[in-house]
Amino acid sequence: AQSVSQHNHHVILSEAASLELGCNYSYGGTVNLFWYVQYPGQHLQLLLKYFSGDPLVKGIKGFEAEFIKSKFSFNLRKPSVQWSDTAEYFCAAAGNKLTFGGGTRVLVKP
Amino acid sequence: SQTIHQWPATLVQPVGSPLSLECTVEGTSNPNLYWYRQAAGRGLQLLFYSVGIGQISSEVPQNLSASRPQDRQFILSSKKLLLSDSGFYLCAWGAEGYNEQFFGPGTRLTVL
Repeated sequence: AQSVSQHNHHVILSEAASLELGCNYSYGGTVNLFWYVQYPGQHLQLLLKYFSGDPLVKGIKGFEAEFIKSKFSFNLRKPSVQWSDTAEYFCAAAGNKLTFGGGTRVLVKP
Repeated sequence: SQTIHQWPATLVQPVGSPLSLECTVEGTSNPNLYWYRQAAGRGLQLLFYSVGIGQISSEVPQNLSASRPQDRQFILSSKKLLLSDSGFYLCAWGAEGYNEQFFGPGTRLTVL
């Protein structure tokens, strides 16, 4: 069965620190990968996506993610976080259906 | 541009009462529509999806049902709510397949 796992449930860090959120998926076929973000009180919105091509994907607000096929991973990164990056982040994989990970709550301290 | 609406935004209902949550999409035709429940630490659980009017697929057996009476309208219902139905319900639409989806603002349901 298709599944997505996010390694950290909660992350707390200070402004200007670097962020990396882990995501692993299990699916044997071609898969599209996504990171969604939900800021406090706002809609779930797309941060970035990977369909094919360059495995390093640039998204909005300085985020990027790297698809490593051999590791079934799609980790999200940001070199220097801001207080406004406080949110919940969801990794998702679309193989035969769109499956979400459990989410990671990120708190950035000013 | 496409927009997706959900109402109500919040709802408090007694156990055993019926439920009807509505979702409508504007600016697109024949969208795939989805109902999810979001629980803390458990991500988004797909409840139902629909590829067309009257076509409903259920992902998880439970106390809820879904209907699609019109192309851009998706309704989540229950005849008798349980305490365990409390949660945050999200509607989403996608253009085709199981790729990028766009989410509504959600409904916070509390069953007392």
